[in-house]
Amino acid sequence: EAGVTQFPSHSVIEKGQTVTLRCDPISGHDNLYWYRRVMGKEIKFLLHFVKESKQDESGMPNNRFLAERTGGTYSTLKVQPAELEDSGVYFCASSRQGFGEAFFGQGTRLTVV
Amino acid sequence: GDSVTQMEGPVTLSEEAFLTINCTYTATGYPSLFWYVQYPGEGLQLLLKATKADDKGSNKGFEATYRKETTSFHLEKGSVQVSDSAVYFCAPIWAGSYQLTFGKGTKLSVIP
Repeated sequence: EAGVTQFPSHSVIEKGQTVTLRCDPISGHDNLYWYRRVMGKEIKFLLHFVKESKQDESGMPNNRFLAERTGGTYSTLKVQPAELEDSGVYFCASSRQGFGEAFFGQGTRLTVV
Repeated sequence: GDSVTQMEGPVTLSEEAFLTINCTYTATGYPSLFWYVQYPGEGLQLLLKATKADDKGSNKGFEATYRKETTSFHLEKGSVQVSDSAVYFCAPIWAGSYQLTFGKGTKLSVIP
């Protein structure tokens, strides 16, 4: 069984540009989560999808971040426009049930310069 | 509010040494408790979990017991190996939520 896959693994963009991160969850996992870790801080929750619906987006930092999940399959996280403080590692995770073991991707390291 | 405090590292141990990484939480209810591990170059993996008081999670020689009286979930291993070198995260899920709340992570380095 393939794991959670994230693209790209690294991205370096200039301040003000747009970046789109992609996450392919494990097949059959209805629950998909985004987390991020900015430098020196804890890993923080961003949002939670159940199928294509946003169940909880309380962790989204501001309206420059837009997450979508097409047809309940893969998800994208767009940052527009990117700011320096958006730099960090963005993790995606999926789970079959909404509570319990979540499987994480390797993360996308985003650097905004 | 609800929070988790994890022993900060880095921790450096010799092979076969005993490992303890402390984790305590504050909560109004009873969370489920998880330890995740991130090996170099890899994503986070669930190491073990416990969902109610006095439960013991175990995996790969690691153990942690859900202690309600001390609100703790300390990670232990009797004899660490070089392959255990990684970053370890304590992460409760609070009742009524699906969010993992991560501690700051503890980097463990095991030297031969």
